[in-house]
Amino acid sequence: QVHLQESGPGLVKPSQTLSLTCTVSGGSINSGGYYWSWIRQHPGKDLDWIGYIYYSGSTYYNPSLKSRVTISVDTSKNQLSLTLRSVTAADTAVYYCARDRSGYLLMDVWGQGTTVTVSS
Amino acid sequence: QSALTQPASVSGSPGQSITISCTGTSSDINGYNYVSWFQQHPGKAPKLMIYDVSNRPSGVSNRFSGSKSGNTASLTISGLQAEDEADYYCSSYTSSNTLLFGGGTKLTVL
Repeated sequence: QVHLQESGPGLVKPSQTLSLTCTVSGGSINSGGYYWSWIRQHPGKDLDWIGYIYYSGSTYYNPSLKSRVTISVDTSKNQLSLTLRSVTAADTAVYYCARDRSGYLLMDVWGQGTTVTVSS
Repeated sequence: QSALTQPASVSGSPGQSITISCTGTSSDINGYNYVSWFQQHPGKAPKLMIYDVSNRPSGVSNRFSGSKSGNTASLTISGLQAEDEADYYCSSYTSSNTLLFGGGTKLTVL
């Protein structure tokens, strides 16, 4: 049973960089056929898909965030990471990592989420 | 891209059936059979309930069913139970190779 766990600072100052890590357990991030996504949920409960990465390192980002986002993978640690630059209050959200088993953004396993607040 | 359109709330009594709609466009729902539905209880992560319009993952009750017609997908929950009270979100793959979510529907079991 694959388990995902997000981690990172809960508070980030405006204009700074948000960095989160997702640790995958119960399965290898290297196993082919799975893509790994980041998704966020705003306080008003709207969900945004941020982007995905394949274990090979290939990525695809939501055009609305592409200029500020980087997703990377560390297969030796079985982790993926999210970096979001130049944050504002609008980036305050619960951030989830999720597994896409299909390649067409079918999210079948989600982490528990981590809350990030952007505030000075 | 605008979010998929869902009703803000629906309600039903135990044992009844309810349907939640999710309306999109030809660039998402009507263009692909890649619609999913998620259940989210307070403070919890979304849980996949329906994928590819009408398929249930292993372990999900057969009281949950999905369908699609044109630009609109639907989630039906039959034999409502108290534990079904939650927020429900639809999602669809899009022609831009992105994932679009609905705004969410709060289900109240009366």
